[in-house]
Amino acid sequence: DAGITQSPRHKVTETGTPVTLRCHQTENHRYMYWYRQDPGHGLRLIHYSYGVKDTDKGEVSDGYSVSRSKTEDFLLTLESATSSQTSVYFCAISESRGQTTGYFGPGTRLTVT
Amino acid sequence: RKEVEQDPGPFNVPEGATVAFNCTYSNSASQSFFWYRQDCRKEPKLLMSVYSSGNEDGRFTAQLNRASQYISLLIRDSKLSDSATYLCVVTGDSGYALNFGKGTSLLVTP
Repeated sequence: DAGITQSPRHKVTETGTPVTLRCHQTENHRYMYWYRQDPGHGLRLIHYSYGVKDTDKGEVSDGYSVSRSKTEDFLLTLESATSSQTSVYFCAISESRGQTTGYFGPGTRLTVT
Repeated sequence: RKEVEQDPGPFNVPEGATVAFNCTYSNSASQSFFWYRQDCRKEPKLLMSVYSSGNEDGRFTAQLNRASQYISLLIRDSKLSDSATYLCVVTGDSGYALNFGKGTSLLVTP
């Protein structure tokens, strides 16, 4: 398996609190992605990064911010969590654009009460 | 219209059966196509890429029809371990990331 870890793996938080999810890779891949997966919607892209300090928005970026200060770490922050952000969050990495050899992390289950 | 559409199933088939999944996509400019597999409460994993000429990997065969914007996955001699959700995936406009279908659920029974 590719070296991708996510932390925390599970989190319960209250509405209005800030939350940061971490994705860490040991593969030295250039591209990193954050997706969320919800019943009835499938996987949707939140933000992605194409290099250190280079990020862009995905399909469902409202309410989320990201940072990438090192190749190996990609952080996803919910500035003020809402119940609609209850979801499973997956990080993914890729050597090439378009994720032709993409690997996903194990996921973070976030519940906002 | 959703960019990638799949029949959600579930498809219930006996061991040894052949089963086919179909997928349509709306963006004619899409360049890359994939099938991913996702087990319950696990991360998606790449099953195979899909090429215009068609490609095969053991019991799995994938086909792409660009003119009809249609992708298929055929599984022959189904195993119990094939039970999972199969995700049809297509690159988006930017080419950076992927558009996922909602998945087709397969249950292979003894």
